[in-house]
Order: sequence, then structure tokens, then C-alpha cells
Amino acid sequence: ILNVEQSPQSLHVQEGDSTNFTCSFPSSNFYALHWYRWETAKSPEALFVMTLNGDEKKKGRISATLNTKEGYSYLYIKGSQPEDSATYLCASPNAGNNRKLIWGLGTSLAVNP
Amino acid sequence: DAMVIQNPRYQVTQFGKPVTLSCSQTLNHNVMYWYQQKSSQAPKLLFHYYDKDFNNEADTPDNFQSRRPNTSFCFLDIRSPGLGDAAMYLCATSRDTGGTEAFFGQGTRLTVV
Repeated sequence: ILNVEQSPQSLHVQEGDSTNFTCSFPSSNFYALHWYRWETAKSPEALFVMTLNGDEKKKGRISATLNTKEGYSYLYIKGSQPEDSATYLCASPNAGNNRKLIWGLGTSLAVNP
Repeated sequence: DAMVIQNPRYQVTQFGKPVTLSCSQTLNHNVMYWYQQKSSQAPKLLFHYYDKDFNNEADTPDNFQSRRPNTSFCFLDIRSPGLGDAAMYLCATSRDTGGTEAFFGQGTRLTVV
């Protein structure tokens, strides 16, 4: 059984603050780690798909790191803006033939102006 | 331009009355997924198609069926909706399973009365 866990469950920050949250996953049979952003009334949108241990990816003010040996990924947002308010979901494929994504419960971020 | 389109955005159906949700894609992706998401829970995969190959999750109730008549379209049929089936239903596509990012529609919010 593959469990993907995210923390914290929710987060409130002030505009301009930098923040980060965590996704943890079993490190055995690792295949990939996905991060998605889901804004209210919009489609979930892929941020990153990461596969290599030690990899770091960046998109604007958002970056993510990956540690496959210890089974965690961090998502960082630098200088949070109100438009960053969303639920951030991570997911990792299971080790089976179908590689279905196992999802975390998400971190709900609210950025106050 | 939207690449994964779900219709309708909101659906109200009567208890026990069959309902069909639709999803179309312009990405020509091999894989199409249907997820169910209830409040504060992780998205739950119901089934997916890899091309014409249908993959049902073991815990998906028989009440849920799917059809993929061609690459572009996929339907979710709920034969006899119960109150517990009220949820957000998300359609997603990806080029392959596991290591490639998923593209989501905006979802259909199903209410059962």
C-alpha cells in the first residue's frame, strides 16, 4: 500500500511571506512525484513532475525539491501573492503495472493581502 | 484554450435516476481518467482507459460505468445515483501513465436530490 501524505493540511500566510510544505511518500519502488495546484473553480494544474533524486525544479516563484531516498518532496513559494491561494496536491504512482497516481490530501494555502 | 472539457459543470440528478457525465480532450492523449473527489478527501480514481483498454479500480462500485467511444471522448455513467455519490467528478488525460503529467478538466459537481 502506497501512502502519500502532505503537511500541513492548511496554511495562512501574509502577502510577501515565503512558505513551504511537505509531501512524503514511501521511498521503495519510487517512480515519480507530481505536484499540482488546484485553484477554486478551476482545473487542477500540473506544476512539476519529478523523477530524479536531488532534483530541483522551478516555475516562477515556486520551486520543488525531491529526496527519493528518504521519501519526501518540498514545495516552496517565495514571496507569496494572493493569487497563490489554492490547494496544492502531490501524487506518486504506485509500483504496479498501471502506475496509477496515489494522491495526498493536499495543503490548502490562503495568502492574505 | 481548454484542452480537457467536462460537461456539464454542475449536474443535479434525482436519487436513482441514471446520469451521464462527459469529458472531451483535444490533446490526443492515450490515457483518460475519471476521479471522484469528496470534500476534504484526496481524489479517488474510479477507472481509466489506456487507449481502448478499460482499467477498473477494485473498489469502484458497479453503479459506475464508463465508455470511451473514441480517443477524444470519455463518459461516466452512474446507473442509480445515491446520496453518497454526490461529489466532484474530475476527468483527466495524460500521454502515458505514472511519469507524465495529467491534464484535468474543470470537473462536474454532482448533486443528488
